[in-house]
Amino acid sequence: DGGITQSPKYLFRKEGQNVTLSCEQNLNHDAMYWYRQDPGQGLRLIYYSQIVNDFQKGDIAEGYSVSREKKESFPLTVTSAQKNPTAFYLCASGNSMNTEAFFGQGTRLTVV
Amino acid sequence: EDQVTQSPEALRLQEGESSSLNCSYTVSGLRGLFWYRQDPGKGPEFLFTLYSAGEEKEKERLKATLTKKESFLHITAPKPEDSATYLCAVREIQGAQKLVFGQGTRLTINP
Repeated sequence: DGGITQSPKYLFRKEGQNVTLSCEQNLNHDAMYWYRQDPGQGLRLIYYSQIVNDFQKGDIAEGYSVSREKKESFPLTVTSAQKNPTAFYLCASGNSMNTEAFFGQGTRLTVV
Repeated sequence: EDQVTQSPEALRLQEGESSSLNCSYTVSGLRGLFWYRQDPGKGPEFLFTLYSAGEEKEKERLKATLTKKESFLHITAPKPEDSATYLCAVREIQGAQKLVFGQGTRLTINP
């Protein structure tokens, strides 16, 4: 089945710990994105990547890091420097800069 | 700076009561406008892409239209299963790698 897989669905983290969210796609898309969604604030762009081994900061990159070593994978690390990490994280991928992006089912991160 | 504004924030309709959702945008040049549907706790599901003013797309009870400043998502004779949050997003010609989202309209259809 083609699609975007995010794991885990739910994640709990203690304050001060780094945590990595997984995103894998088998759609052969070049572009991949990470968004954060908070209630009443819509989706905000964290990082995006247009090609392997290259990525750019989005609007709210502070406290996050990414890597793009393979076309299929774009993991997001939420570091201890992120002051308010509790949120719903969404990964997406797309074929080109002209077209729509397709989303995974999200990871809900809660800091305890 | 890009701005995408959706209205209303929330809308309650009776089953069969048609209405429209609005997405206003301000970009220097539009590369594409996208509509998504999002159910609670899930990722957004792609619905439509519109590229130029005057363009229309339809899918079942949904019809999306585009002008130079806004897009409408028309819902005809909605059913309870159409209840969801509807998101609008734009890509600008310069900086097309970014999808900028509005805050969404939460639609509830009562049986």
